[in-house]
Amino acid sequence: SQQGEEDPQALSIQEGENATMNCSYKTSINNLQWYRQNSGRGLVHLILIRSNEREKHSGRLRVTLDTSKKSSSLLITASRAADTASYFCATAVTDKLIFGTGTRLQVFP
Amino acid sequence: NAGVTQTPKFQVLKTGQSMTLQCAQDMNHEYMSWYRQDPGMGLRLIHYSVGAGITDQGEVPNGYNVSRSTTEDFPLRLLSAAPSQTSVYFCASSYLGKQFFGPGTRLTVL
Repeated sequence: SQQGEEDPQALSIQEGENATMNCSYKTSINNLQWYRQNSGRGLVHLILIRSNEREKHSGRLRVTLDTSKKSSSLLITASRAADTASYFCATAVTDKLIFGTGTRLQVFP
Repeated sequence: NAGVTQTPKFQVLKTGQSMTLQCAQDMNHEYMSWYRQDPGMGLRLIHYSVGAGITDQGEVPNGYNVSRSTTEDFPLRLLSAAPSQTSVYFCASSYLGKQFFGPGTRLTVL
């Protein structure tokens, strides 16, 4: 079974709104990462948060990590049509990186 | 830098055929991995390597072999293709935990 599960599976919003995606995982981790995938393309790394960190920012992205609940969230503020993509969380467990099932984000102009 | 390159981009095989998906990186990364992506399943780890001469199994290794004779190359071999191996295959290399992905190989097994 998948280590990470994203919620929601799909999200549709208007430009300018914020988008929040959640990730839950099952085992202890070294770090958690978020990736973006445009349709038909390879994944692009967005942000990495270590297990001893609680929050991290990168531009319009904000990631939180709650290791007690084994969950993380990705917030994209002031979304743009160009943010339309699939977003995946990935958990680093020993020397493996295990991906979740992804959230498909659609941002309408 | 070319980053991570994969060949071919597309491939159609018949059941029982074998083939090798090529992956190369020019960033001198020690860690490389292979994933497959199926609709609604996200990415699943097939095999990975922490350096030349060292490989290990991921979540779904059955039906696939890998070797790592050089830091740059990490080929994935399908021994006897099955329709269940129809998927998009991504190779990645890693530095400080961050993965850099290739563009993918779309494989169809008839």
